[in-house]
Amino acid sequence: SQTIHQWPATLVQPVGSPLSLECTVEGTSNPNLYWYRQAAGRGLQLLFYSVGIGQISSEVPQNLSASRPQDRQFILSSKKLLLSDSGFYLCAWSKVHTTGNSGNTIYFGEGSWLTVV
Amino acid sequence: QQPVQSPQAVILREGEDAVINCSSSKALYSVHWYRQKHGEAPVFLMILLKGGEQKGHEKISASFNEKKQQSSLYLTASQLSYSGTYFCGTGSGNTGKLIFGQGTTLQVKP
Repeated sequence: SQTIHQWPATLVQPVGSPLSLECTVEGTSNPNLYWYRQAAGRGLQLLFYSVGIGQISSEVPQNLSASRPQDRQFILSSKKLLLSDSGFYLCAWSKVHTTGNSGNTIYFGEGSWLTVV
Repeated sequence: QQPVQSPQAVILREGEDAVINCSSSKALYSVHWYRQKHGEAPVFLMILLKGGEQKGHEKISASFNEKKQQSSLYLTASQLSYSGTYFCGTGSGNTGKLIFGQGTTLQVKP
């Protein structure tokens, strides 16, 4: 069966410090990978998605970047954090999309709570 | 474009029913429903792919009206465990990504 893990689970970082959140998927190959962010009490905002190694699409211009150095590894980074970067970050995966606009069922990791102080 | 959910919040007593709606101004090709408990990741509930399709799992079911570009999630005889935030997600483009609504918070009280 497929599993997804992300870490760290929680972190408190000062403004201006760098960020690195990591996510790995097991039990599948060539998954689509996603980073979502959820501000406190808010909805799920898609930040980045990837359909393959080195292929990253950004949904929202921001202070963050993503990389996919290996097939099942997805990393979210920032060089200098802002207060507004605080939130609950969720990595997710889905099977490779085949046809149409139906969208894939996605499965979320446990999430990472980021507080920027 | 983000689908719109209504209502934003619902408070129920155990055993009562609730309906959560999800609508879009663009054509809907599928609707995915998720539930998120506080502090946890969203969990997949069900997907509806065809207009007119209805699905159910125990006392939670959903319908998809493709022509009206909307879907509804039905929770009957609600239990305390149904509390959480419900999200609908729709496919966007041909990449498989999902765009989610803003969520509906459901609170079931004893």
